[in-house]
Amino acid sequence: KQEVTQIPAALSVPEGENLVLNCSFTDSAIYNLQWFRQDPGKGLTSLLLIQSSQREQTSGRLNASLDKSSGRSTLYIAASQPGDSATYLCAVRPLGKGTYKYIFGTGTRLKVLA
Amino acid sequence: NAGVTQTPKFQVLKTGQSMTLQCAQDMNHEYMSWYRQDPGMGLRLIHYSVGAGITDQGEVPNGYNVSRSTTEDFPLRLLSAAPSQTSVYFCASSYGGPDSNQPQHFGDGTRLSIL
Repeated sequence: KQEVTQIPAALSVPEGENLVLNCSFTDSAIYNLQWFRQDPGKGLTSLLLIQSSQREQTSGRLNASLDKSSGRSTLYIAASQPGDSATYLCAVRPLGKGTYKYIFGTGTRLKVLA
Repeated sequence: NAGVTQTPKFQVLKTGQSMTLQCAQDMNHEYMSWYRQDPGMGLRLIHYSVGAGITDQGEVPNGYNVSRSTTEDFPLRLLSAAPSQTSVYFCASSYGGPDSNQPQHFGDGTRLSIL
């Protein structure tokens, strides 16, 4: 059974620091992995989607990498800002014809201090 | 551009009551799904739909019904509310077939409390 883990559960960093959020999954048979941002009381916003054949994706100050063989993904945030404070979730889409589901981690709650 | 719209945003029910959570999207997405989010457990899939007239169960379907009569709407029905269904419910949609690599779009959620 696919399980997704995100460690640490919470993280506080000073403004301007580069940081890495971790996501691990137990089964390498995935279509893709997606990183989301969730602000308090809001829904999820898709940040980056990495297909199983890709190694990384970049959007602005965000870079996500994928290592399927080791079951790991990282989200790198460069030059963090207070506006980056949110909960970051990763989710994997398992392989399986005709299925449509994502398995989510419980998230890392990030606080960037001004 | 409305995206995914969920109503109501908040609801309090008594045990045994029934209600329908509404979800609508204006992006012509084929795929829609319902998740519940509970502290320490992440998001769990309740039901999903791959197109109008087609629905299937997710990870935690018991106590919930869905239907998909149009592409735009995907309502979630609680048949007889129980305190264990207290949660935040999210609706999501995406474009493309089951094997596509399209990102999901989420609504802002419905916060439901069952007394």
